[in-house]
Amino acid sequence: DAKTTQPTSMDCAEGRAANLPCNHSTISGNEYVYWYRQIHSQGPQYIIHGLKNNETNEMASLIITEDRKSSTLILPHATLRDTAVYYCIVRVAQSSSQGAQKLVFGQGTRLTINP
Amino acid sequence: DTEVTQTPKHLVMGMTNKKSLKCEQHMGHRAMYWYKQKAKKPPELMFVYSYEKLSINESVPSRFSPECPNSSLLNLHLHALQPEDSALYLCASSQDLSTGILYEQYFGPGTRLTVT
Repeated sequence: DAKTTQPTSMDCAEGRAANLPCNHSTISGNEYVYWYRQIHSQGPQYIIHGLKNNETNEMASLIITEDRKSSTLILPHATLRDTAVYYCIVRVAQSSSQGAQKLVFGQGTRLTINP
Repeated sequence: DTEVTQTPKHLVMGMTNKKSLKCEQHMGHRAMYWYKQKAKKPPELMFVYSYEKLSINESVPSRFSPECPNSSLLNLHLHALQPEDSALYLCASSQDLSTGILYEQYFGPGTRLTVT
């Protein structure tokens, strides 16, 4: 799986949009970008994923650059409960391949939402 | 029900003990996973089961022995562990690995293991 690079930590004010960047310059055409987060003392939680188009769900938006070498996760109105470590993961698309069965977590970004 | 449950929440064991961690899901998922997470580190994959068969073993020491008795249950048997095995052990499940469609993984809250 392609390696990802994320800032170690970020701060955001409550109620503002939190924009979390991720670089994945060696991503292949058949690899998706996934985002998970892990709130303290809990298991990781799936947020969103995308291939090349921008995606939005009830939790967040994912913006992928046209060359697919980077992406940004956007939490539109951050709350204190969004304080967590956010992981950007690149994952091959064929589920039957062993590579797709693995989630390879990097160090992630520790996002702190301040009141 | 989109929940993965793990028992126990906490476990303290000596190096000569034998214990088991249990994971359960009732979402009809056919793929289940064990991850290990050391403090302030990301989770690391240990094992993957697909349709109750071991699919991936990430070169995990034999003192960790996984078992998938049925599609809803996943166990991790522990024997002769070392203090450095102290960690949070996370279980996850996902819908299927054989259809060609990639599904997200649902994680349980983990078992915090301390080896003394």
